[in-house]
Amino acid sequence: LAKTTQPISMDSYEGQEVNITCSHNNIATNDYITWYQQFPSQGPRFIIQGYKTKVTNEVASLFIPADRKSSTLSLPRVSLSDTAVYYCLVGDGVTGGGNKLTFGTGTQLKVEL
Amino acid sequence: EAQVTQNPRYLITVTGKKLTVTCSQNMNHEYMSWYRQDPGLGLRQIYYSMNVEVTDKGDVPEGYKVSRKEKRNFPLILESPSPNQTSLYFCASSLLEYTGELFFGEGSRLTVL
Repeated sequence: LAKTTQPISMDSYEGQEVNITCSHNNIATNDYITWYQQFPSQGPRFIIQGYKTKVTNEVASLFIPADRKSSTLSLPRVSLSDTAVYYCLVGDGVTGGGNKLTFGTGTQLKVEL
Repeated sequence: EAQVTQNPRYLITVTGKKLTVTCSQNMNHEYMSWYRQDPGLGLRQIYYSMNVEVTDKGDVPEGYKVSRKEKRNFPLILESPSPNQTSLYFCASSLLEYTGELFFGEGSRLTVL
């Protein structure tokens, strides 16, 4: 299993770009990297997923270097509503005979005015 | 509406009194999973199921049981709850083909006295 390491917390201001890095040194060939967002007392919500290089959607970008041992979630122009916990998840999911999808402890992002 | 439904959302019980937390999804997902969330420990997987009658242990299975008799349902059973099982529980589901997107329920907050 690929264990992930993220910063415990980050602070930012509205309108800034936020980059959260996740370390996953033991990532396997079949593993994807997925990021989730969680608000208090709610279930996590999918943000973005990638395998290598760069992926962008309407809310975030995900940068993955060639060795795939880390990944960076980039949130452009954050607002107060982006205050949440962000989880990096690494695994091959439900293929290959099943997988313990392991979440790390997450990064608490606090956005201020 | 596609959703994962957990019941009960809140429960206070006493040590040793068997309880079941139900989880149902309406997306025809093969994969279902249970997590518990505790302060400072992030999300930890309890059990997961690849399909009907196929279940496997996650990272913290002790004290829990599950069953998967129907594709849509994946109940979590606490045969003899103890105070250390006081936690916030989340059920999640996904298509068998790994899209990276786990769909989570709203959570069940359990207190064992």
